[in-house]
Amino acid sequence: GDKVKQSPSALSLQEGTNSALRCNFSIAATTVQWFLQNPRGSLINLFYLVPGTKENGRLKSTFNSKESYSTLHIRDAQLEDSGTYFCAAEAPQGGRALIFGTGTTVSVSP
Amino acid sequence: EAAVTQSPRNKVAVTGGKVTLSCNQTNNHNNMYWYRQDTGHGLRLIHYSYGAGSTEKGDIPDGYKASRPSQENFSLILELATPSQTSVYFCASGPGTSSQNTLYFGAGTRLSVL
Repeated sequence: GDKVKQSPSALSLQEGTNSALRCNFSIAATTVQWFLQNPRGSLINLFYLVPGTKENGRLKSTFNSKESYSTLHIRDAQLEDSGTYFCAAEAPQGGRALIFGTGTTVSVSP
Repeated sequence: EAAVTQSPRNKVAVTGGKVTLSCNQTNNHNNMYWYRQDTGHGLRLIHYSYGAGSTEKGDIPDGYKASRPSQENFSLILELATPSQTSVYFCASGPGTSSQNTLYFGAGTRLSVL
């Protein structure tokens, strides 16, 4: 939604290339989570971030709370990286629920 | 790995009928959430709960009720289903009180209201 804006909305990658996804927040996000929705529709948690950076294999994510954005970097893209990536921000109120962006659909081709 | 199970996985309902979507988690998480996912909107929060007996309104609660009879179970109830409620519904759970409230999602329920 408008509180969490993701860009780009879609991305086509060739295997082996690198790319970055971005989320901008218009709310005071305290933490950020990144999810991958696979072609079966399952939501897989990739990262839980307080301000700072985390890395897991070919994925690296940063959350900058002062400038209200988060990024997800994909290095050496593989076919299995295809799917829709969602970022979600935890706002200070509301049961620690997450506010989701509208997603970036990534297609990786050989 | 947290386990969140939703049932049914697919449901076809008639307009005006009552629909109950069920969610069970086996990780003793305090917080549970119901979201719906529609094209162009991402996931939007309908109701959430802090624990047994608690239900709170999320961002789009109109037309929905929730019930949390136990720590493990959280239901979403559509008393009078309408075609606009056709969507994919996701349940999630999270520790809530701990410093890292990682959310774990169920596989989703695809609801069609005809």
